[in-house]
Amino acid sequence: QSALTQPASVSGSPGQSVTISCTGTSSDVGGYDFVSWYQHHPDKAPKLIIYGVNKRPSGVSNRFSGSKSTNTASLTISGLLTEDEATYYCTSYATYTTLVFGGGTKLTVL
Amino acid sequence: QVQLQQWGAGLLKPSETLSLTCAVYGGSFSGYYWTWIRQPPGKGLEWVSYISKITSIISYADSVQGRFTISRDNAKNSLYLQMNSLRDEDTAVYFCARDGGRSYDMDVWGQGTTVTVSS
Repeated sequence: QSALTQPASVSGSPGQSVTISCTGTSSDVGGYDFVSWYQHHPDKAPKLIIYGVNKRPSGVSNRFSGSKSTNTASLTISGLLTEDEATYYCTSYATYTTLVFGGGTKLTVL
Repeated sequence: QVQLQQWGAGLLKPSETLSLTCAVYGGSFSGYYWTWIRQPPGKGLEWVSYISKITSIISYADSVQGRFTISRDNAKNSLYLQMNSLRDEDTAVYFCARDGGRSYDMDVWGQGTTVTVSS
């Protein structure tokens, strides 16, 4: 159960777009279309923003989009807002009904 | 609107035992799978355990296998995590979360409860 690999930090200016990668293996990210992304503000519960690689839950802004290529999933946030500043985590289903998280990426909106 | 209320926080010594509870209000409990996730201080989120609707599927992270036990009581709309043989590295904020039933995504989260293990 090795953690998925995410960049520790990314940054962007308001209005710009940023992309966060999430790299796993064929046993998790590459093997299933069960990648989710969460937004986590300090001292709050994480919030689901993408599920099933590229689907948005009701109420989540269409500025958030997801994709996947082989063993790497990506989250793109377009039209950055200051409120997007948070830590973002990917997660994937892995073999034997386990889940694995990425290490988290801190987004700074400059 | 479904809400999750957690309790069971504590300050414990290594090898001690603690049980966490997550009660579900305002929505279906029995119709969903449920998970426990934790966040150690200054670190990222870590999946801990997972339980299916009728407990036919239960899984654990390697780091807690054999020490933690997840369970559920559909009659009480409650999820539990029994934590035995606690270690310093189990210190974390523990979240319960609902599996949305689509792709192993967690769409509703509890507020978190803090467990501190220290000698």
